[in-house]
Amino acid sequence: RKEVEQDPGPFNVPEGATVAFNCTYSNSASQSFFWYRQDCRKEPKLLMSVYSSGNEDGRFTAQLNRASQYISLLIRDSKLSDSATYLCVVNSPGTYKYIFGTGTRLKVLA
Amino acid sequence: DAGVIQSPRHEVTEMGQEVTLRCKPISGHDYLFWYRQTMMRGLELLIYFNNNVPIDDSGMPEDRFSAKMPNASFSTLKIQPSEPRDSAVYFCASSQTYGTGYYEQYFGPGTRLTVT
Repeated sequence: RKEVEQDPGPFNVPEGATVAFNCTYSNSASQSFFWYRQDCRKEPKLLMSVYSSGNEDGRFTAQLNRASQYISLLIRDSKLSDSATYLCVVNSPGTYKYIFGTGTRLKVLA
Repeated sequence: DAGVIQSPRHEVTEMGQEVTLRCKPISGHDYLFWYRQTMMRGLELLIYFNNNVPIDDSGMPEDRFSAKMPNASFSTLKIQPSEPRDSAVYFCASSQTYGTGYYEQYFGPGTRLTVT
């Protein structure tokens, strides 16, 4: 089983739609979780951290479910500029290593 | 702040040649990471340093790969000899820690390596 698993997509959604991605992780001792965004042929950039109680940043909402070992990202009112690959990131316990998922590709269509 | 700087941005070389990738982390950051990204395997951690000391190189694929960090503002990743399967985008990232906890990693623009 991969340490971090994501549906590769692509998710093709119309502008204004709500879309959600899930990510599962294998190590129950992981404590830090993030979503990174990567545009085509660019470097990954932090989108948001994921806190235990869930957190929101504008149109983006992140949730953590420790019991089922998954995190989610919800994007409301999708914009064309949201088109990118979204990487789920989990820390490797006891280290400063981050494990990146292979990413979920989102295409927002006009 | 200039961000993480990597050079070269693109490298095309022939199999068997030595390749050296360079990285300048953000000033003041105490962790530096080298990653490789391919379509098939995604983003893989190769090695990371803390205060210029290599901490974990378990991701380095084989002895052909080596990395150094002679000072806080410079790191190199060397492949010798290079092979076509080394073709990938190599990213350098840095972060600053404040004791316990996990912090944002800032990525450089990457070096796109093609080995023919």
